[in-house]
Amino acid sequence: EIVLTQSPGTLSLSPGERATLSCRASQRIDSDSLAWYQQKPGQAPRLLIYGASKRATGIPDRFSGSGSGAVFTLALSRLEPEDFAVYYCQQFDTLPFTFGGGTKVEIK
Amino acid sequence: QMQLQESGPGLVKPSQTLSLTCTVSGDSMSSGSYHWNWIRQSAGKGLEWIGRISTSGRTDYNPSLKSRVIISLDTSKNQFSLDLSSVIVADTAVYYCAREWNLLPFDVFDIWGQGKVVTVSS
Repeated sequence: EIVLTQSPGTLSLSPGERATLSCRASQRIDSDSLAWYQQKPGQAPRLLIYGASKRATGIPDRFSGSGSGAVFTLALSRLEPEDFAVYYCQQFDTLPFTFGGGTKVEIK
Repeated sequence: QMQLQESGPGLVKPSQTLSLTCTVSGDSMSSGSYHWNWIRQSAGKGLEWIGRISTSGRTDYNPSLKSRVIISLDTSKNQFSLDLSSVIVADTAVYYCAREWNLLPFDVFDIWGQGKVVTVSS
């Protein structure tokens, strides 16, 4: 199966700062098959980005995704208070679908 | 707007079968190009994809669970279900149902249930 490794495990930042999250796949994947989700405590994950770079409906433009091959990035340009959460990457390229271990973005 | 809701027992004894149902409301399960998925989340293993079923009834399962999992569909009730047999303590998790929208060339898990906490304990 494709293993997704996210880094860092935790990111401590202040509101207004920029966050850069990394997702590395154990093999090359089709960028159309890479998605990012946000999860807050007690809630289900929420789709943010699909196709590596396309924002889902209603997602503000401070969220952006990029990457190809085996390295993908989620960037948050200016952290808002509601952005402090855990972020997961996920691949649809090959069954079984897999998720990364998550990056927690916490308030510094 | 389509919504998903998990239901079923919150406590299951070891060696028994965990059975959950996901009820789809707001639209027909067959109204688009969808797969219907089960995903679980535990402290130890993070998010783990369990398997999926298409509206035609074709299933795909995670090989790590395949010998113990059955996912079924009842379009007349707008529901799909998960049976996980011979459960152990490590199957304790929050179980989510999720819609996979096949928006070619993309796939997305765009709608999720709120999650059902299931504890395996005697």
